[in-house]
Amino acid sequence: QVQLQESGPGLVKPSETLSLTCAVSAYSISSGYYWGWIRQPPGKGLEWIGSIYHNGYTYYNASLKSRITISVDTSKNQFSLKLSSVTAADTAVYYCARLSGSYYPYFDYWGQGTLVTVSS
Amino acid sequence: EIVMTQSPATLSVSPGERATLSCRASQSVSSNLAWYQQKPGQAPRLLIYGASTRATGISARFSGSGSGTEFTLTISSLQSEDFAVYYCQQYNNWPPLTFGGGTKVEIK
Repeated sequence: QVQLQESGPGLVKPSETLSLTCAVSAYSISSGYYWGWIRQPPGKGLEWIGSIYHNGYTYYNASLKSRITISVDTSKNQFSLKLSSVTAADTAVYYCARLSGSYYPYFDYWGQGTLVTVSS
Repeated sequence: EIVMTQSPATLSVSPGERATLSCRASQSVSSNLAWYQQKPGQAPRLLIYGASTRATGISARFSGSGSGTEFTLTISSLQSEDFAVYYCQQYNNWPPLTFGGGTKVEIK
């Protein structure tokens, strides 16, 4: 059973950079699949942030593209999210997940999520 | 970007009754649609993919139908553990991957 676990600071100051890592177990990222980040503001719906393939190829949500960097570290079997210049609107639960395929992907495995609050 | 619209926003159902949730896409997504269930404080869980295929371990109470722009998730006989928020997601045309706004199924 593939398992994903998010980690990172729960509190980030406005204008700073949010940094999260997703550790993957029971599956080697190098073996394939896209891996992604999704967020959910408190009481609201789900928003796809971006995804990365094991070779580093990325797709980003255009609405966030100027502020996002997603990277992968196959040696540690993990991938990461950086979101710069954060505001209160970036307060959300951030999930990492595996995408089921390359062409027509849904999210088949999810991390438990981590709440990130943007506040001074 | 394909916009996904779910209705109703809230559905009040008695235990044992059938629940029917709708999801509409702003343009055809073929059968590339997934449904997720989310309970408070938990991550979403995959229920259905390919519009009608149940994910591993998902009860036969859950069924999905539709193609193109109109989709339905049916829960045949609601159990207490089924009260949750349900999201649809299209993956036919990406990026971006897009979700509907969700339907909350609550106890009547």
